[in-house]
This record gives sequence, C-alpha cells and structure tokens, in this order.
Amino acid sequence: DGGITQSPKYLFRKEGQNVTLSCEQNLNHDAMYWYRQDPGQGLRLIYYSQIVNDFQKGDIAEGYSVSREKKESFPLTVTSAQKNPTAFYLCASSRGQGVYGYTFGSGTRLTVV
Amino acid sequence: EDQVTQSPEALRLQEGESSSLNCSYTVSGLRGLFWYRQDPGKGPEFLFTLYSAGEEKEKERLKATLTKKESFLHITAPKPEDSATYLCAVHYYSGNTPLVFGKGTRLSVIA
Repeated sequence: DGGITQSPKYLFRKEGQNVTLSCEQNLNHDAMYWYRQDPGQGLRLIYYSQIVNDFQKGDIAEGYSVSREKKESFPLTVTSAQKNPTAFYLCASSRGQGVYGYTFGSGTRLTVV
Repeated sequence: EDQVTQSPEALRLQEGESSSLNCSYTVSGLRGLFWYRQDPGKGPEFLFTLYSAGEEKEKERLKATLTKKESFLHITAPKPEDSATYLCAVHYYSGNTPLVFGKGTRLSVIA
C-alpha cells in the first residue's frame, strides 16, 4: 500500500545536539511538507518542497533545515539553534500544489532531555 | 489575524447528541476546503474536500457543508469513537501557497 512513513515515532535529544527526522513517501507525490504541532497551536508550517532540490521556508523555519535530494524523501534536521524543539512533528505529501489535500505520516514526537 | 478559525475549541457531547463544528475563513479565492480527523499521537486522517459554496459531503455520521465564508461539520448521533480533534484547512488562489490550517476542535463524546 502507498503511504508516507515517518521515523522514529519517539526521539529524545540532549540540548545542543542536532537530530534528523525521517520522512519517506511512495505515493509519487511531488510536494512534501513539515509541520510542527504544539498543544493549542494547531499545525505550523516549517518547510515545504514542491520539486526535488528545491524547498521554501514556512512560518517557523528558524532552527530547522531540510533537504530534498530524492522525490521520495524529505528529512528534517532540528538544529541546536531551535530553542524549544519539544513538539510533535508531522510530515505530509500532496499531488500538485495541495488542491487535492495532503496525506500525513503518523508523526514523530521529539523530546529534549 | 488568523485566516482560518475553528470553533468551538473544545466540545463535549453525550452519545447521540448531535452538533456542529464551525470553520470560518477570511482568504479570498478559495480553491478547496479540507476536513481532517486526528486521534491523539497520530497524524491527521482525511475526511472531506469541498470546492464550491453549496457543496455537501457525507460519511457515516459526518456531513460537511460549505458557504462562501465558512464550513460546518455536522455530527449526527455521535458515538464515543467519534472523539478526536477535527482540523479544517483551506487552499486558496495565491501561487503555490500551502494549505492553511485552523487550530482544530477537540470533540469528546461521552457514553
């Protein structure tokens, strides 16, 4: 079955460390997205990519970095510059520009210890 | 100013007590409005897409409707398994802008 896979499900990071969250899709979707979800905040857009080797900043890109070397993969790195990284991170993909909606992964919960 | 506003933030219903969730939007040039369901600790799951005012979609106990400035998600005779957060998102005419999400409505259905 086609879908979008995020790993790991839970991730713990020490302060000062960079960590990378994985997102892979086999839906042949062109666009991929990263969102952060905090209680009461809804989904906030971090980065998105509409084609390979190209990506744009979202509303809260500071302290994060991404790459899009393959159509199927869109990893997110949470750097030590992100001051409050503890959150639930969601990856999504879409056909075209999103007019058909998004398919979401199951999420990664990142906790700073 | 939020472009997509959902109300109420939280809703508690008795099993069988029908109600509606609201999603209002201020953007112009709507291309599509989406409803998702999200269970705790999981990714959102697609429910409906609405493209034009007057359109309605139904799935089991859920019915989504769309007007020019808002959408309603009607829940008829809800069951405890309908408890979840319901998210609304809009896609509008502005180049390649991603979907804009509301903050969601947390629904609890009590047996």
